[in-house]
Amino acid sequence: SAVISQKPSRDICQRGTSLTIQCQVDSQVTMMFWYRQQPGQSLTLIATANQGSEATYESGFVIDKFPISRPNLTFSTLTVSNMSPEDSSIYLCSVVGLRFTDTQYFGPGTRLTVL
Amino acid sequence: QKEVEQDPGPLSVPEGAIVSLNCTYSNSAFQYFMWYRQYSRKGPELLMYTYSSGNKEDGRFTAQVDKSSKYISLFIRDSQPSDSATYLCAMSASAAGNKLTFGGGTRVLVKP
Repeated sequence: SAVISQKPSRDICQRGTSLTIQCQVDSQVTMMFWYRQQPGQSLTLIATANQGSEATYESGFVIDKFPISRPNLTFSTLTVSNMSPEDSSIYLCSVVGLRFTDTQYFGPGTRLTVL
Repeated sequence: QKEVEQDPGPLSVPEGAIVSLNCTYSNSAFQYFMWYRQYSRKGPELLMYTYSSGNKEDGRFTAQVDKSSKYISLFIRDSQPSDSATYLCAMSASAAGNKLTFGGGTRVLVKP
């Protein structure tokens, strides 16, 4: 079965720094998304990663804080910039188009703690 | 008010019992309904996917959608300790692969 991987799986960072999270899929997919799951909360969509163009951000999320790249059909990155403790969350990528289906499959997540 | 409401639990049941989970929603445009299972420190795993109203069965899992009541359910028969996880409902207006709106998740504990 197709695999979605994320790097790093977890990290502890200092406030004011930035972290780039990678999402890699082992087959081409049509769509990629980035979600945030704050402690004890459900998933909130940050943005849709568009291949070859700027990401589409949801209300409350901006490109300066969460720049996203998607250079091809199997890879995307999310950067969390100028981090504060409120950014401590699990960040998840999801993809559409695996196994010729139109449903979303999620990566294992990146657990971020900001001190 | 949240678009999708889900009782956070925890819901504790004995092994072998039927687990009953549900979500209510307010957006009548939702047409695609999904249930995900999330184990601790893992990403959500798709369990069931239904379109519009009706029932769908897959092994021990049954999903029901009642659009007239804006209410969806997931039933797990013959529950096992390995079913202990958080169950998230998710919905979309345009397609299952587009923007998903999630419920808050229900934590389920199946006791041996």
